[in-house]
Amino acid sequence: AQTVTQSQPEMSVQEAETVTLSCTYDTSENNYYLFWYKQPPSRQMILVIRQEAYKQQNATENRFSVNFQKAAKSFSLKISDSQLGDTAMYFCAFIRAAGNTGKLIFGQGTTLQVKP
Amino acid sequence: GAVVSQHPSRVICKSGTSVKIECRSLDFQATTMFWYRQFPKQSLMLMATSNEGSKATYEQGVEKDKFLINHASLTLSTLTVTSAHPEDSSFYICSARAWVQGMLQETQYFGPGTRLLVL
Repeated sequence: AQTVTQSQPEMSVQEAETVTLSCTYDTSENNYYLFWYKQPPSRQMILVIRQEAYKQQNATENRFSVNFQKAAKSFSLKISDSQLGDTAMYFCAFIRAAGNTGKLIFGQGTTLQVKP
Repeated sequence: GAVVSQHPSRVICKSGTSVKIECRSLDFQATTMFWYRQFPKQSLMLMATSNEGSKATYEQGVEKDKFLINHASLTLSTLTVTSAHPEDSSFYICSARAWVQGMLQETQYFGPGTRLLVL
């Protein structure tokens, strides 16, 4: 069974600085997708970034980038130039590419506080 | 694109009544939708997978007769909490996967959630 682990329950960062959220996962699958979702105080889940396991290049979306280490089964999220609006709970998630069962496996979440 | 709506956003009901929550994909067809439950400061817990035109698949420990799911169209899934009790109070979130050019996409798009309070 696949598992996703986020070992940092809470983190804080000063506005404009950079922060990295860690995520590790366990799977025997070779082809899969990884996601970072953001859940601000409104509780709306927002897709931040997505990575396809067969792509070696790390995904980037503006200030958000990932460090995908397939062999180490690590998928960290880097937020550059942190903004107050980045304050949220962040979830790392995994889904198998095969089978179309569609189940997202979520980590426990990391609460990020951006301080002014 | 890929917008999912939920209604109502918040509901308060008396113990013993039933509550229906709607989840709609607004700009895409969603043959597969998912229902989650979330407690404060915790991760999302998958309750069931809703498939259009067929019975929902429930996760272990989720009472099928308690949480009725209907997915009657390509854009609508409903979750009915029957005979609600205070312990059913929670935040319920739906999500959907989109078909694009004949392929089911891996990305799930989430509704804004429904806060249920049972008195």
